[in-house]
Amino acid sequence: DAGVIQSPRHEVTEMGQEVTLRCKPISGHNSLFWYRQTMMRGLELLIYFNNNVPIDDSGMPEDRFSAKMPNASFSTLKIQPSEPRDSAVYFCASTYQGPRERQYFGPGTRLTVL
Amino acid sequence: KNQVEQSPQSLIILEGKNCTLQCNYTVSPFSNLRWYKQDTGRGPVSLTIMTFSENTKSNGRYTATLDADTKQSSLHITASQLSDSASYICVVTGGGNKLTFGTGTQLKVEL
Repeated sequence: DAGVIQSPRHEVTEMGQEVTLRCKPISGHNSLFWYRQTMMRGLELLIYFNNNVPIDDSGMPEDRFSAKMPNASFSTLKIQPSEPRDSAVYFCASTYQGPRERQYFGPGTRLTVL
Repeated sequence: KNQVEQSPQSLIILEGKNCTLQCNYTVSPFSNLRWYKQDTGRGPVSLTIMTFSENTKSNGRYTATLDADTKQSSLHITASQLSDSASYICVVTGGGNKLTFGTGTQLKVEL
């Protein structure tokens, strides 16, 4: 298995533009997590899905952020409109059982909003 | 308020030496505690996961301990190698599967 795949790896955009980050979890995993990491705040859980259903989105900073998981092999995190403070590395992680189990992280998407 | 505090914030050691990283938490109720290693520019990699009933777990040269009474955990690295240079993050899962993250310890192993 190729592990968790994220795209793009780097994204530079201008304030106000829509940004879509993509994630393909490990095949057979039933839980998927979106995290954000910055120097100031460290790692933060944004949202997680179990069997494609959003379970906890309390970490989503505001309505500009939305996440979907239309099927077991694909998820998106969308920011619309983007702001400079959204600049961060966004990680996707997947696991077989749930939050208590070992999570496998993707390589991350480094987002820069100018 | 649920918090996870890690110490030291950064650490420099010589190759071959041992070191111990600390994690203190106030998360309640407690579900599990995990240690991650994150190399620069890469995603975190899970080292150990411990539940309430486990007080030690090893993964190669990494040994994690957990004292659920004092709400403290440590990660001991034996015979450090240059490749151990990374950020080590402690994460505690609490009630409702809520995750609370530490800010990490930045370890540098030098020749």
